[in-house]
Formats: sequence, C-alpha cells, structure tokens
Amino acid sequence: RKEVEQDPGPFNVPEGATVAFNCTYSNSASQSFFWYRQDCRKEPKLLMSVYSSGNEDGRFTAQLNRASQYISLLIRDSKLSDSATYLCAVNVGGSQGNLIFGKGTKLSVKP
Amino acid sequence: SQTIHQWPATLVQPVGSPLSLECTVEGTSNPNLYWYRQAAGRGLQLLFYSVGIGQISSEVPQNLSASRPQDRQFILSSKKLLLSDSGFYLCAWVGPWLPEAFFGQGTRLTVV
Repeated sequence: RKEVEQDPGPFNVPEGATVAFNCTYSNSASQSFFWYRQDCRKEPKLLMSVYSSGNEDGRFTAQLNRASQYISLLIRDSKLSDSATYLCAVNVGGSQGNLIFGKGTKLSVKP
Repeated sequence: SQTIHQWPATLVQPVGSPLSLECTVEGTSNPNLYWYRQAAGRGLQLLFYSVGIGQISSEVPQNLSASRPQDRQFILSSKKLLLSDSGFYLCAWVGPWLPEAFFGQGTRLTVV
C-alpha cells in the first residue's frame, strides 16, 4: 500500500457543483495533514491544514478520520477558478520531519 | 516574513552534464528543508530532506545528491545527468513552529 493515495481524477464538474476528494494514508503515526493546491506548471500552495475536529474556510471544508486513516476535502459552489490539482500531504513528524504527498487529484470546473 | 528562493526557474542541460540547484530560505532559522521532483503527469516524489546543517536523508536511490552547507541553504547536485532526471524540482521548507510546508517557485529541468 502506498503511503499516501488519492484518486487522480480528473473530476469534471459544472460551476456551482459540490465536489469531494478523499486521501488515504498508511502510517498510523502520522501527525499533521494538509491540502495543497497546484496550478499548472506552478508550485503547490497550502490550501488548508486539516485538524482532528474538522475545519472550514469559506467554501472549503477539510475533515480527518484517524480511525479509517483518511482525510477529505469538500468544495462547495465550485468556481471556474477552483480548477487545479489538489494534493494531500501527511507529516509523520518527529525529528525526521518526513512530509509525504499524494499524487494529486485534478479538478476541472466547467461553465 | 519567511521567503524561499529557488533558482534557476528553467534549465536545459545535455545528458552527462553536471547539475547544481540552489535553494535558500530567509526569515527563519533551523528549518527542515526538502527537495522534491515532479515528473510530467506524476506526483511529488520526495528526494532528500534535511533537519540541520550537514544532515541529509535520502529517500530514493538515484544519481542525485544534496548538501546543506548552511542553515538556510540547500543544494541539489548531480555529477552526470540522465534523461530520466528531467522534471520539475521543488524546494520546500517547514519551520520549527508550524508543520506546514512552503515551496519555492521550482526549477523546470529538461535533460536533452
């Protein structure tokens, strides 16, 4: 099993749709979880951290399920500008500071 | 505020030539530093990470090496490039007070 797995997509959705991405991780010792957004030919940029209690930032909601070892990202009322690749990242933590990324899920929002 | 600089932005190198990519971080001290590679249509592959000066951990065996001569400097090198070394190379840092990683703008390397 890979350390961090995501559905590669692409997810093609109309404007205004709600879309959800899942990401599973294999290391139960993982401590920190994140969602990044990467535009074409650009560096990934932090979208939001994922907290145990779940967190929301505008149209974006992130949740963590430690028992099942997955994190999710929900985007409501999709905009054209949401089109990008969404990467999840997991930090095992400790002195080694190992930060592992999934391969990303591509989202395309159509008019 | 913290910033991360990575250069050059693009690079075209012949097979067998050497490589040196540099990454520097400003506005922080003792960061964890990372080199990732993203091949076309693929995910971010962790190549090296460093938790301090002179401390390098390699994740994937390859013809690349990394060095950390100063606290805020991280260098990726190769003595002889292969075609398969082409990709988008990204440097990232994680500060001591927050677990999030922040990326440089990346170097797009094409080996011809």
